[in-house]
Amino acid sequence: QVQLVESGGGVVQPGRSLRLSCAASGFTFSSYGMHWVRQAPGKGLEWVAVIWYDGSNKYYADSVKGRFTISRDNSKNTLYLQMNSLRAEDTAVYYCARDAADYGDYLIYAFDIWGQGTMVTVSS
Amino acid sequence: QSALTQPASVSGSPGQSITISCTGTSSDVGSYNLVSWYQQHPGKAPKLMIYEVSKRPSGVSNRFSGSKSGNTASLTISGLQAEDEADYYCCSYAGGFGVFGGGTKLTVL
Repeated sequence: QVQLVESGGGVVQPGRSLRLSCAASGFTFSSYGMHWVRQAPGKGLEWVAVIWYDGSNKYYADSVKGRFTISRDNSKNTLYLQMNSLRAEDTAVYYCARDAADYGDYLIYAFDIWGQGTMVTVSS
Repeated sequence: QSALTQPASVSGSPGQSITISCTGTSSDVGSYNLVSWYQQHPGKAPKLMIYEVSKRPSGVSNRFSGSKSGNTASLTISGLQAEDEADYYCCSYAGGFGVFGGGTKLTVL
């Protein structure tokens, strides 16, 4: 079945780095744009980053720009989020999500498939 | 990249209809027909309920409908049921970025 499975979360000290992975299955991963969305404990959803189906375009929320890098390996059906210079305010559940558009260059920023989330805690 | 504005809470009785508003600006909601809505139950991942303002994904009840006027989008749930009690979030495309609303807690009385 169509599925996204995140991994790589954990407890990390401020200023350190962490890389999240999102393994996709059950659909043609290379045809879809992919997003990262996060949710701090007890808070709402926050869009983090997007990458086009072929990696040609990437956009980031201002809160993570310059610190986080989104990437993908279509040969491995895997999405990544490299998080550097982590701060306490980055503590959240991180979800990967599929863009609902499957027609090439056009993304619609609607997230039709979500992973179960992976928790990142930034604390000394 | 300011968050969209949603009411913190709404409530309704079973069988009633409720509407949740989502107010943005001319840089997001007002400029693009790319508003989506999500339902989230405690401890669960969000679920897509409406996309492109008013389209329903396969499997989502037709009790859920979406609309937009100017800088404000709306989600209407008719024939409220107990299982509709959840948090609801709107999201809009904002020129390369995505922006969510703060979320609305729906209580079914």
